[in-house]
Amino acid sequence: DIQMTQTPSSMPASLGERVTISCRASQGISNYLNWYQQKPDGTIKPLIYYTSNLQSGVPSRFSGSGSGTDYSLTISSLEPEDFAMYYCQQYDSSPNTFGAGTKLELK
Amino acid sequence: QVTLKESGPGILQPSQTLSLTCTFSGFSLSTYGMGVGWIRQPSGKGLEWLANIWWDDDKYYNPSLKNRLTISKDTSNNQAFLKITNVDTADTATYYCARILEQLRVMDAWGQGASVTVSS
Repeated sequence: DIQMTQTPSSMPASLGERVTISCRASQGISNYLNWYQQKPDGTIKPLIYYTSNLQSGVPSRFSGSGSGTDYSLTISSLEPEDFAMYYCQQYDSSPNTFGAGTKLELK
Repeated sequence: QVTLKESGPGILQPSQTLSLTCTFSGFSLSTYGMGVGWIRQPSGKGLEWLANIWWDDDKYYNPSLKNRLTISKDTSNNQAFLKITNVDTADTATYYCARILEQLRVMDAWGQGASVTVSS
């Protein structure tokens, strides 16, 4: 199975701040990397697919980049609703696997 | 608008079989490229993919649980199902179903999750 190492596990940040979350795969995943946001009530929302494609309705302050084994999610200017858990997912090979998550917290 | 909703027993005892239903709208599981997946999340932990079923009835399982999982669908009633046999306390989790777009390889719509507790 491909292991996904997501860093940091938690990140205190302020409103308006620019933040980046990283995800490293144990082998190349050909850009099949997705990002999801989970709110405290459990609701899961897809943000980005295939490394850098924004899901419909996702604000443009979210962006994704990367290649090979290293990928990242950037939020350009944090809004109150962005404080949540974030998960990366590789979908290059089965079983698809998720990172352990990053908790974005208000500083 | 695509919506999915999971339903399950809530609580069951060790060694029983867990049966989950995903009822969805806004798409058809007979449409080319559509799939439904099941993912679970123990309280306070991360996401674990369990199984997928596709528009052509292809099925894929997580090898770590494969012998215990059965996924199926009822296209006419817009439902997908997951059975997990011989449950134990480690199966206590919130279970999600999600629509998968095969060509984009993304779970682009998720249900709200169904909480399942395994306890004697």
